[in-house]
Amino acid sequence: GAVVSQHPSWVICKSGTSVKIECRSLDFQATTMFWYRQFPKQSLMLMATSNEGSKATYEQGVEKDKFLINHASLTLSTLTVTSAHPEDSSFYICSASNRGSTEAFFGQGTRLTVV
Amino acid sequence: GENVEQHPSTLSVQEGDSAVIKCTYSDSASNYFPWYKQELGKGPQLIIDIRSNVGEKKDQRIAVTLNKTAKHFSLHITETQPEDSAVYFCAASRGAGSYQLTFGKGTKLSVIP
Repeated sequence: GAVVSQHPSWVICKSGTSVKIECRSLDFQATTMFWYRQFPKQSLMLMATSNEGSKATYEQGVEKDKFLINHASLTLSTLTVTSAHPEDSSFYICSASNRGSTEAFFGQGTRLTVV
Repeated sequence: GENVEQHPSTLSVQEGDSAVIKCTYSDSASNYFPWYKQELGKGPQLIIDIRSNVGEKKDQRIAVTLNKTAKHFSLHITETQPEDSAVYFCAASRGAGSYQLTFGKGTKLSVIP
C-alpha cells in the first residue's frame, strides 16, 4: 500500500511554544489529508480535513487559530500547535488519500508532550 | 452525523481460538466499513474493509460481515496468534478514500499464549 510518513514521531516542548508536525505522502499525491487526535486508550477524534490548495475544515470544538493546518502541496500537510499547553499533550495522527483512492493511509503518529 | 458503537472494549482469547468484534452504525448513507489494527505507539493499519454492496469478505484468517439492514458489521479473526494482540477499531464513512471516517471506541484484544 501507499506510504504516509509523519515527522517527528515524538516531540517534547515547553508550554507557550509552537510545534509543527509534518505529514508526507511518499508515493502518491494526497488530495485530501485528515488530522486526528488520540488520547490514551481512546479512539481517534477527527480534528480537521484539509484539501490541497484550500483552507482546512475544522471539526466542531477544534480551535483553528490554535491548530494551524497547511496543505500547500499534494504531498505535504502540516499541523502547527501554537502556544502549546500541557492539555495539548496527545498522540496526533494524519491520514492521506487521493481522489481516486479506495482507502485512506495513516501515518505512524506523533506523540506530543508539553511540559 | 454518524455514530459508531463498538463492543467489547476488551477481549481476551486463548491462542488458536477465534475472536469476534462487533460494531453498529447509525447513518444509513454509510457504505464503507474498514477495520484497523493499532499497535502501541503506532498509527492505525488497515486490515480489511467492506463496502455496502457486499455481505462478507475474507482475507486468510480475517473476515468481515455486514448486515446493512440491521446496520451492524463484525470482524472475525480465526486461529488467533499472540501477534494479533492490539487495539482494533471499526469505522464507517459515506465513501472510501477522501471521505471522513467515524471510528468506534476500539477493542483491546489480548491473545494468551
